[in-house]
Amino acid sequence: DTGVSQDPRHKITKRGQNVTFRCDPISEHNRLYWYRQTLGQGPEFLTYFQNEAQLEKSRLLSDRFSAERPKGSFSTLEIQRTEQGDSAMYLCASSLSSRHNEQFFGPGTRLTVL
Amino acid sequence: DQQVKQNSPSLSVQEGRISILNCDYTNSMFDYFLWYKKYPAEGPTFLISISSIKDKNEDGRFTVFLNKSAKHLSLHIVPSQPGDSAVYFCAASVVLISNFGNEKLTFGTGTRLTIIP
Repeated sequence: DTGVSQDPRHKITKRGQNVTFRCDPISEHNRLYWYRQTLGQGPEFLTYFQNEAQLEKSRLLSDRFSAERPKGSFSTLEIQRTEQGDSAMYLCASSLSSRHNEQFFGPGTRLTVL
Repeated sequence: DQQVKQNSPSLSVQEGRISILNCDYTNSMFDYFLWYKKYPAEGPTFLISISSIKDKNEDGRFTVFLNKSAKHLSLHIVPSQPGDSAVYFCAASVVLISNFGNEKLTFGTGTRLTIIP
């Protein structure tokens, strides 16, 4: 399977704990996005990487959130001191710069903060 | 500020008939529009897209229509099949050379389509 993969698929944590999610994009894709989806809403943009450079962060991404994409391959999204409001589905997507906007999404990581 | 709106949370259509899903947008800077389909426990899957320079794009059973003056687009599925039952998201983006290639998508809230056998 050469699609976008995300790990873990589910994460349950207690408020105040730190969590880290991983995304492995399609190998030749240079663009990588993180989105967050809450119940009844569409995905909302969080941050964007082109290769290893993080070029935009949404105002939704508070200072408790940090994302990296070392070497322009996989990416991690870390949430420190989790809050109940962080409970959501975190989606990763990747795309090729030559193919406008056709982003391929992973299955997501569902985070539940108790 | 919901820049992309899907006003119908759900739609039921008889198998074999046409399904029409609607989407409205408010940001006149949007110049590329996409439809994604989502099954439970999976990420969204790209279906079809349209550039603002066109008013129609067709791919098999799926056709997307764009009315720029009305800031409205629609997805037509003909004929509808049981496997089409899913949540459909409309998304829009701005393609800007100066944007460092960031073509982030702004999504609507989705329409749940149910095909009745």
